[in-house]
Amino acid sequence: QKEVEQNSGPLSVPEGAIASLNCTYSDRGSQSFFWYRQYSGKSPELIMFIYSNGDKEDGRFTAQLNKASQYVSLLIRDSQPSDSATYLCAVNNPDRGSTLGRLYFGRGTQLTVWP
Amino acid sequence: DAGVIQSPRHEVTEMGQEVTLRCKPISGHDYLFWYRQTMMRGLELLIYFNNNVPIDDSGMPEDRFSAKMPNASFSTLKIQPSEPRDSAVYFCASSGYDSGGYGYTFGSGTRLTVV
Repeated sequence: QKEVEQNSGPLSVPEGAIASLNCTYSDRGSQSFFWYRQYSGKSPELIMFIYSNGDKEDGRFTAQLNKASQYVSLLIRDSQPSDSATYLCAVNNPDRGSTLGRLYFGRGTQLTVWP
Repeated sequence: DAGVIQSPRHEVTEMGQEVTLRCKPISGHDYLFWYRQTMMRGLELLIYFNNNVPIDDSGMPEDRFSAKMPNASFSTLKIQPSEPRDSAVYFCASSGYDSGGYGYTFGSGTRLTVV
């Protein structure tokens, strides 16, 4: 059973603060890790992916991966009200002989950024 | 590219009726996924295809659900007969080597209501 766990929240932070979203996964064979943002009534959209241990930065977003601890996080700096959404963590389980395959999703963390 | 295209956007049907959801993946993507999302269960993978071949249909709830992918540019998810508990948002997603490190691109979803 491959599980991806996230705190459901809601996580509430003031505008300008750092929002920290956390995710743990059970399958040590997981190779790729993704963060999706889903606004209410919309479809999930990919915002970050990370393969290697350490940090990966893209604008106000930083993804952090620690494979030894089976932990991945997303930091949002200078949070804006427009960041208010549900953030889904997803983990890749590659098909045999392939680097592609299905993603296992967490239930998501609801983030609210208040002005 | 127009992205992943799903139709219809909304579907309201009576219990017992047949429902067909449609999906056109991004051209060149060789993976196609059908997900269902509810508040109670989050995102659930129903079935996925690789090069038009079903790889894993273990998430299909029961025999009332069926999915086909007759060619690389079209897939259908059929529910027959439909039941109120099938009410959910159904997402189609596609993936390929060009999609952000193998992450998915989701369609806009079909909101199904069975009354």
